[in-house]
Formats: sequence, C-alpha cells, structure tokens
Amino acid sequence: GNSVTQMEGPVTLSEEAFLTINCTYTATGYPSLFWYVQYPGEGLQLLLKATKADDKGSNKGFEATYRKETTSFHLEKGSVQVSDSAVYFCALSNNDMRFGAGTRLTVKP
Amino acid sequence: DSGVTQTPKHLITATGQRVTLRCSPRSGDLSVYWYQQSLDQGLQFLIQYYNGEERAKGNILERFSAQQFPDLHSELNLSSLELGDSALYFCASSATSGGTDTQYFGPGTRLTVL
Repeated sequence: GNSVTQMEGPVTLSEEAFLTINCTYTATGYPSLFWYVQYPGEGLQLLLKATKADDKGSNKGFEATYRKETTSFHLEKGSVQVSDSAVYFCALSNNDMRFGAGTRLTVKP
Repeated sequence: DSGVTQTPKHLITATGQRVTLRCSPRSGDLSVYWYQQSLDQGLQFLIQYYNGEERAKGNILERFSAQQFPDLHSELNLSSLELGDSALYFCASSATSGGTDTQYFGPGTRLTVL
C-alpha cells in the first residue's frame, strides 16, 4: 500500500542554520508528493509539491526533489528563520492522500 | 486564509452523543476531503466527495458518515461518540478529484468528548 515515513522530531535549530527533514515513501505507480506546513492553531498549508520524478518543488526558500530511485522527497532550506517554526508534513497522493507523522521544527533566535 | 470554512471551531460533547461538522469548500472547488488529526494517530484521511458523490474512503469508522450537498458544502456526522473520537477534524477542498491537485485546508473543528 501507499505510505510515507518522515523524520521524527522535534527538530530544534538556531536561526540561519541549514534544515533537512527526511521523507521516504512507498507507493505503486507514480504518486504526487507534497510538503505541507501547519502553524500553531491553524490548518495545513501547501508548502511545495512535485508531480513527477526529478521535479523540484520550491517555495519560500524551501526545496524538495522527487527522487524515484531512492523513493525520497527530502525537505531542505538553507537558512531557517524563527518564523519557520511549525510542524511539517510530507504527503503523497495516489488515489488517496497519505501523510507522514509530521516533524515539529523550532527555530531559536 | 485558504478559503475553506469550517464550523463550529470548537465542540464539546458527551460520550454516546451525535454531532455534525460542517465544511464549505473554496469557491469553484468540487472535491471535499475530511481528515482526523489526533496525537496518537497523526493525520488520517477519512473520506472524499467529488461533486456530490463519494470518491474515496480511508480510515472512516462505521459510526461516522459524510455527505456533500448540491451547493458543494459537506457535513461529517459522528455518532455514538467515544472518548477516543476527541481530535481535530479538518476539511480540505480541491478543484477536481485529481491526485496532483493541491488540497486547501480549513482551520479545523476541535472535538472534545467528555
């Protein structure tokens, strides 16, 4: 079946540090891959997506590349800010949407 | 603001009761999805409706049901409530039923079962 495994948190970084949150998936066929972000007290917001192998999604300094050979979609940002503190969810869509467990990121000044 | 609205924001009820959660999708979106978010289970897909018809079913209990009305708003009905049903319930909408579509999430309804 379809599933997503993402790096468990929490992750705590200092401002301007490099961020990587690992995400791997299991799926049949060719799923679309997503990263969503959830700020405190809010619903999920799409951060970026990729719909086919080797696509790179990017938004607000975040990037993730759809790697079919390693079934991965790792999220990266070169320099995090305090305002990036949130919970990040990796997800795949293949008939239905499956989410990872979420990774809580805290960025300290 | 995603354009998806959910009511009520908070709901407190007792075990054995029945509640209805309401969702209005973004203007023009035909698909509505329901999710349950709890600390122990994470974010679980419950059910999807597309243009009034059930499209996909996830981990939805038999005590739960949903429908999408002609004006495309959707309701999630939860009955015979148990303590374990306490969670955040999110609605999301997308333009079509396609897997590549972005889903836009509402702010959620927090259900507390006492």
